[in-house]
Amino acid sequence: EDQVTQSPEALRLQEGESSSLNCSYTVSGLRGLFWYRQDPGKGPEFLFTLYSAGEEKEKERLKATLTKKESFLHITAPKPEDSATYLCAVQMFTGGGNKLTFGTGTQLKVEL
Amino acid sequence: ETGVTQTPRHLVMGMTNKKSLKCEQHLGHNAMYWYKQSAKKPLELMFVYNFKEQTENNSVPSRFSPECPNSSHLFLHLHTLQPEDSALYLCASSQEGQFTDTQYFGPGTRLTVL
Repeated sequence: EDQVTQSPEALRLQEGESSSLNCSYTVSGLRGLFWYRQDPGKGPEFLFTLYSAGEEKEKERLKATLTKKESFLHITAPKPEDSATYLCAVQMFTGGGNKLTFGTGTQLKVEL
Repeated sequence: ETGVTQTPRHLVMGMTNKKSLKCEQHLGHNAMYWYKQSAKKPLELMFVYNFKEQTENNSVPSRFSPECPNSSHLFLHLHTLQPEDSALYLCASSQEGQFTDTQYFGPGTRLTVL
């Protein structure tokens, strides 16, 4: 069964304290791995798509990387406005169509 | 602004009521989705429409009835819901057929069933 596991469930950082969020997956035939940011009471906001092991993408203080088993979302020198829940999702080549399988997310809190 | 709008943003209904959720996408996409998001659970895919045709029904109870009159609009008709159906209902759209069909989400409808 396809699974997506995110860790930690919750993370509290001081402003400027860099860290990483993990998304591990067990799927056959990865088509793409997606990262979203979700603020309370809002819909997920698209951040990145990664397609193959070794790929990296960056946006401001965020950098996403991908291996054959997991993806990391690195947050460099975070600010309070980076506080949100970060969701990971995978899409398969075969059988899944355009279905996304999501993890439960990592709730990030960045404090002054 | 993601280009996907949902109304209403909040809805409180009794178990015997009938209501509808509306989603509209302004991105020119050809696929639309309904998801359910409950606390501490992953987003749960409910329905998928490609080119207005329903291609997935993820074992959703019949008290939820989707409708897709065109590629820009999607509805979720609700009737005789249960309290456990209280959740955030999210609509998304994507351009199916490309190598990557990134899904873009609306702000959601927070549903409370009394």
